[in-house]
Amino acid sequence: DAGVTQSPTHLIKTRGQHVTLRCSPISGHKSVSWYQQVLGQGPQFIFQYYEKEERGRGNFPDRFSARQFPNYSSELNVNALLLGDSALYLCASSLHLGQFPGDEQYFGPGTRLTVT
Amino acid sequence: ELKVEQNPLFLSMQEGKNYTIYCNYSTTSDRLYWYRQDPGKSLESLFVLLSNGAVKQEGRLMASLDTKARLSTLHITAAVHDLSATYFCAVMQSGGGADGLTFGKGTHLIIQP
Repeated sequence: DAGVTQSPTHLIKTRGQHVTLRCSPISGHKSVSWYQQVLGQGPQFIFQYYEKEERGRGNFPDRFSARQFPNYSSELNVNALLLGDSALYLCASSLHLGQFPGDEQYFGPGTRLTVT
Repeated sequence: ELKVEQNPLFLSMQEGKNYTIYCNYSTTSDRLYWYRQDPGKSLESLFVLLSNGAVKQEGRLMASLDTKARLSTLHITAAVHDLSATYFCAVMQSGGGADGLTFGKGTHLIIQP
C-alpha cells in the first residue's frame, strides 16, 4: 500500500514568490495535517484539514493557506515568500481527526523548500 | 499553551554505552510519541505511549511514560553507530487532534566507534 506522498521533493523559490505544495494521504484517510520544520528545530503544526474543512490552525501568518480536495488530497500555499520560509514541509495523514488513540498520523517524505 | 522540552539537545556517546533522553511536557496529554529522523529525511515513528506507566521496547531502544510527572524517557542500551540520528518526542494534547502534534526541539545523537 502506498504511504503518504508529497510533491515536489525539492523546490527553490525567490523571495516574494508564491509556492504550492501537494500531499496525497494514505488511501482511506480523511485528514491531512501540515507541519513546517526549520533546520535544527522540531516540526511545527500549520494546519489540519478533515473532510475538506479546516479543523485546526497553528501560529502562522495569513500568507499560509491550504485546502483539501474531494479525494482528500491537499495543497499548502505560501504567498510572498520570505527567507525564513525555507524549511522541510511535512504532510501527515490520519483516518479521522486523530482525537483517539489508534487514529495516528503518518508522515510523508516532505518537500524541501529553499527561498533565496 | 502546550510546551515540550527535550534534553539533552545534543549527545555524543561511544558505542556500547547506555544513555537516556528526557522529554517533559507542560499539560495533560493523551499520547506521547517518539520519532527518529535521519539527515534530510522524514520522521520515522518509533513508539506511541498511551497511558501512565507504559513501557515499550524495540531492539536497543526503550521508551516509558509517567503521566503524573509529565515525563517520558527514551533509553538507549549498548549503543551502536546505526542509532545515530535526531530523536524527537511529540505530544498530542488531551482531546486534541485539531491542534496537531507539539514537538520538542529534538536530541541530536552521535554514536562514535
